[in-house]
Amino acid sequence: AQKITQTQPGMFVQEKEAVTLDCTYDTSDPSYGLFWYKQPSSGEMIFLIYQGSYDQQNATEGRYSLNFQKARKSANLVISASQLGDSAMYFCAMSHNQGGKLIFGQGTELSVKP
Amino acid sequence: DVKVTQSSRYLVKRTGEKVFLECVQDMDHENMFWYRQDPGLGLRLIYFSYDVKMKEKGDIPEGYSVSREKKERFSLILESASTNQTSMYLCASSPPTGYQPQHFGDGTRLSIL
Repeated sequence: AQKITQTQPGMFVQEKEAVTLDCTYDTSDPSYGLFWYKQPSSGEMIFLIYQGSYDQQNATEGRYSLNFQKARKSANLVISASQLGDSAMYFCAMSHNQGGKLIFGQGTELSVKP
Repeated sequence: DVKVTQSSRYLVKRTGEKVFLECVQDMDHENMFWYRQDPGLGLRLIYFSYDVKMKEKGDIPEGYSVSREKKERFSLILESASTNQTSMYLCASSPPTGYQPQHFGDGTRLSIL
């Protein structure tokens, strides 16, 4: 069965430090996409970063990078130089069909301390 | 700027009522989705649509139905609202090709009393 697991319900990080949010996935399909979304307390879902299963390099978008370890089926999000505005829920998600539905993890609530 | 608009941010209804949640996107996307979000469970797919008048069940369709009469509009219907349908509802859209990220609306926090 296809599944996304986020094992950290909540995390704290000091401002300006880096933090890693864990995500593991389970699939037997060789083609898939992995996404990370941020959800502030206001509720909207903000797309952060994407990694394709055939991508050779780890994806990066500004302060966000995705540590993709295909053999271990993990896709951890790394946020460098944390800011107070990074405090939010973070969701890892997977898609098997191009343009298709997403399977989400349970989410990790990140709190950035000043 | 691309936009997915949900008709209400907050909604309070009574058990047994028929409830309509509306979603409109201005990106000409073929694919549209309705998710439900509950603490500790992440987002779960209720229904989705790949084309006008087309719909497919997601993981938790019981108690819900949908309507897509126009490409830009995807409606979620609670046929007879129950208290266990109190939740956050999120609509999303995406293009049909490539692993494009879904664009989400701001969500509707629905309370069934």
